[in-house]
Order: sequence, then C-alpha cells, then structure tokens
Amino acid sequence: QSVLTQPPSVSAAPGQKVTISCSGSSSNIGNNYVSWYQQLPGTAPKLLIYENNKRPSAIPDRFSGSKSGTSATLGITGLQAGDEADYYCGAWDDSLSAVVFGGGTELTVL
Amino acid sequence: QVQLVQSGAEVKKPGASVKVSCKASGYTFTNYDINWVRQATGQGLEWMGWMNPNSGNTGSAQKFQGRVTMTRDTSISTAYMELSSLRSEDTAVYYCARAPITVAGPPLAWFDPWGQGTLVTVSS
Repeated sequence: QSVLTQPPSVSAAPGQKVTISCSGSSSNIGNNYVSWYQQLPGTAPKLLIYENNKRPSAIPDRFSGSKSGTSATLGITGLQAGDEADYYCGAWDDSLSAVVFGGGTELTVL
Repeated sequence: QVQLVQSGAEVKKPGASVKVSCKASGYTFTNYDINWVRQATGQGLEWMGWMNPNSGNTGSAQKFQGRVTMTRDTSISTAYMELSSLRSEDTAVYYCARAPITVAGPPLAWFDPWGQGTLVTVSS
C-alpha cells in the first residue's frame, strides 16, 4: 500500500495526450515538492519533473507537471510508442520523515 | 557526464549481509546527497535512506533503521549501502541516486541520475 496513490494504468493513442494523477496528503504533496520518474522496461528510473513543474534540460516539453493542494498531475502530449513505461511520483513526507512514492502507473500507447 | 555506477549482482543466504557500492563521476561527489531506493520484481519504488557524502550524516526509513548502514569513501567518490540480517523479502534491485543537498527546510527529494541498479537475491 503506497502512501501516494496513482492509477495502475492509463492508455491513449499515438499523438494524443494523457494525464497521470498522484494523490497524497498534507504531510507530503500538500507541503512539499513533487517529482516524477519514467521507468522503461528493464532500466533504472529517470527524472522527468522536479519541484512540481520543472523539467531537466534533456526532457522534452511534451512532459509537464502541476500540483494543486494534495494532488499532482503529470501530463504527456504527442504520445509516442517510446513513452510506454511505468511512471512514478515521489515526495518527502513530513510525518514519516521519509521519501514516499506512488505505486506506479503503466502507460500503454495503443 | 554525471554518472553513478553500481557494483554487480549478489546472491546471499538469509541472515547474511550485503554491501553495494555506488561510484560517482562527472561531478563533485561531496556537493550532493546519495539516496538508496529499492524495487522488488514487479513492484514499485521503496526509499531506504540518504547520506550526505561531505558530513557523513545519514537518515533512513523507519523500516530499515538498525539494519541499513550508509557510508562513503570520498577519496574514490564512492558511496556504500550495507543491509544486514537479510531475508527473502529483501530480494530486489537496489539503486543509488543523486539528490540536491537541502540547506534549509524539508529535503527537496528529487533524484537524478540513478545508478544502473544492483540485483540482490536472498535465497537459501
């Protein structure tokens, strides 16, 4: 049971847009920054979004992040077959004094 | 380029300990924290703890306190994570990951880059 809640799976057609939600509480998302990671099959996670909505320089602007209250959202536009992966959100939790992650969302590009 | 390279796969018996290394290159080792995250097969990410390579200060998730030891050798820009009293449930891929040092307030808690992962198998 993950502290942050993500949908197990999402899907969309190539070229379309998809959003992935991440729900938490005041002790984590509500009071701290959210980050997002992409994990392609058999590889290590890769940072997509940090501090709620910032992108590392190598990440295309098709990927975006937002936060409102105790929830965060990852958006991906112009879906490509190469975007098929697991996506995780993460944040610091003040009550647990630990980094917590969502359970992960599997993205399928139809 | 900034890179973290981890040691190879390990097979351990229940009750034993394992020590995983994480060698940093492409940046000043003492300017960023090193975190450890593990992932059991088919499961999600589980944060284990952090270490400040400059001070040696560490912190870990309550679940691992008393069982995990994080150390470093700054002369070779390498961090280590040792997990003791291994049980079958510890079978997982263990990742190290770089994180910004937080000067004030709660940790920024974002990780980039990650090591390639080290598979630790605990089996009798």
